[in-house]
Amino acid sequence: DTEVTQTPKHLVMGMTNKKSLKCEQHMGHRAMYWYKQKAKKPPELMFVYSYEKLSINESVPSRFSPECPNSSLLNLHLHALQPEDSALYLCASSQAGGTEAFFGQGTRLTVV
Amino acid sequence: EDQVTQSPEALRLQEGESSSLNCSYTVSGLRGLFWYRQDPGKGPEFLFTLYSAGEEKEKERLKATLTKKESFLHITAPKPEDSATYLCAVQKNTGFQKLVFGTGTRLLVSP
Repeated sequence: DTEVTQTPKHLVMGMTNKKSLKCEQHMGHRAMYWYKQKAKKPPELMFVYSYEKLSINESVPSRFSPECPNSSLLNLHLHALQPEDSALYLCASSQAGGTEAFFGQGTRLTVV
Repeated sequence: EDQVTQSPEALRLQEGESSSLNCSYTVSGLRGLFWYRQDPGKGPEFLFTLYSAGEEKEKERLKATLTKKESFLHITAPKPEDSATYLCAVQKNTGFQKLVFGTGTRLLVSP
């Protein structure tokens, strides 16, 4: 099973809303990632969790708040977003030693 | 500065017309190179990992190769369902959890 599941698939939120994106994997991976992807651009790394601890934050604005409740789950809490934050948000997981990463299908986020 | 360049940016092929996609990289200390396929609005799908120059991997109509400066993704007798964006990503020895992605090649295969 090489599946990473993301919910919801689509999300529309206002600039004053608070919402969360969720990601789950059951591959026993101990590294989990959040990426942001704009149209016709490659994915951009936002956060990395390794063994449930935040190991990389790519200077992401504080309106994005990641959380890793356990080794299978990864959340991204969103608050006071801007229209330019509209994008495809991708979750991925890999072995902690840095083997290939497997991506979820993404959440298409629109901020209005 | 680490750099990954993919060419061409876009490629249109007729069904059955074989071709190659290129991924050139300039990084210090290559740990691995990954190829992904991405359909519109979907997450990237893992295809191959290559670790050392001379290595080759195959899967159905796709074959990936690696040299010290570049990687090729060869597509033999493509079908319309091979239409997608193909991304390569480079992993360094230091900071190996941060992949450096190329900008992708958009492939369209016409019947």
